[in-house]
Amino acid sequence: GAVVSQHPSRVICKSGTSVKIECRSLDFQATTMFWYRQFPKKSLMLMATSNEGSKATYEQGVEKDKFLINHASLTLSTLTVTSAHPEDSSFYICSAPSPGIGNSPLHFGNGTRLTVT
Amino acid sequence: DQQVKQNSPSLSVQEGRISILNCDYTNSMFDYFLWYKKYPAEGPTFLISISSIKDKNEDGRFTVFLNKSAKHLSLHIVPSQPGDSAVYFCAAGLTGGGNKLTFGTGTQLKVEL
Repeated sequence: GAVVSQHPSRVICKSGTSVKIECRSLDFQATTMFWYRQFPKKSLMLMATSNEGSKATYEQGVEKDKFLINHASLTLSTLTVTSAHPEDSSFYICSAPSPGIGNSPLHFGNGTRLTVT
Repeated sequence: DQQVKQNSPSLSVQEGRISILNCDYTNSMFDYFLWYKKYPAEGPTFLISISSIKDKNEDGRFTVFLNKSAKHLSLHIVPSQPGDSAVYFCAAGLTGGGNKLTFGTGTQLKVEL
């Protein structure tokens, strides 16, 4: 089945530094990938849609200059948290739709636990 | 505005019994629905989906029921197994919406021996 790989699984960084998270579709091409964020005991909140060959689409309330998204190829999207602050600490998860037409289920990476100290 | 809601944050069931997880939605435009299972520190895993043209979809021990008039769906797991213990999220989407999903808040299922 479709596999999405996310790296790193866990990162700790200091305030003011930037962190890059990679999301790869391992055995299929993904022109679109999605970045979600999960707060403790909360739902998965869609942050942005990553589009290969064009700019990402951000959800309302998400700062595009803080969360930089680059869809470098048909199998790779990156999320860079710039000038990280403790309130950016969260669980970030990427996903990509299964290949094919119609309403394909999303396949998720294993997430990245970001802790900003 | 939480368009997809799971009002039970947790559920405890005995092994072998039926687990019923519920989900309500407010946006009548949603036309397909999915259930995901999530373990701690992992991404969600797709379980089962249903289109709004159906009211039931079954896959092994998992059955999803959809009641469009009530804007309600449920996931039945029978028989429940200890390995089913996880957080379950329901999600809803719009055909033509670019595969974007709106997730519920999740229900922690614990299957006890």
